[in-house]
Amino acid sequence: DIQMTQSPSSLSASVGDRVIITCRASQTISTYLNWYQQKPGKAPKLLIYAASSLQSGVPSRFSGSGSGTDFTLTISSLQPEDFATYYCQQSYSSPRTFGQGTKVEI
Amino acid sequence: QVQLQESGPGLVKPSQTLSLTCTVSSGSISSGPYYWSWMRQHPGKGLEWIGYIHYTGSTYYNPSLKSRVSISVDTSKNQFSLKLSSVTAADTAMYYCARFYNRNDESAFDIWGQGTMVTVSS
Repeated sequence: DIQMTQSPSSLSASVGDRVIITCRASQTISTYLNWYQQKPGKAPKLLIYAASSLQSGVPSRFSGSGSGTDFTLTISSLQPEDFATYYCQQSYSSPRTFGQGTKVEI
Repeated sequence: QVQLQESGPGLVKPSQTLSLTCTVSSGSISSGPYYWSWMRQHPGKGLEWIGYIHYTGSTYYNPSLKSRVSISVDTSKNQFSLKLSSVTAADTAMYYCARFYNRNDESAFDIWGQGTMVTVSS
């Protein structure tokens, strides 16, 4: 199985901050990397697919980059509605695996 | 916009079989490069992929659960289902159904149900 490791596990930030979350795969996955946002009591929501493509309807302050084993999710200016947990997920091979999550808190 | 909705018992006894159904609305389960998926999330924990099925019946399971899992599809009802046998307290989790698309160099879980909590307890 491909292990996905996110860092940090949690972070504290303020509205307007630039936030960067990293995800590392245990082996190369090209750009088969997706990012999800999950708010408490809600299902995950797809934000970024194929490492850097913005899902329809997702604000442009979210962006993704990387290839191979190292990836980043950037929120350029944190908004109140962005406080949530973020997960990376690899689609390179089966079983599909997720990172452990990064909780973005005030 | 396609929507997914899970249904099934919220309480299952140990050693019994957990059975859930996901109903697909506003779209056909039999079209497109989609795999119909089940995921779960233990309380306060991360996400675990259980497996998925194509409308043709091809299934793919997480090896960690493969011996206990069965996913089936009913195209006439636009539904797909999960069965997890011999459950224990460790199977207590929020269960989500989701659509996985796989085309060209892109693949992701793009649509999710709201989730259903299943507790394993006597």
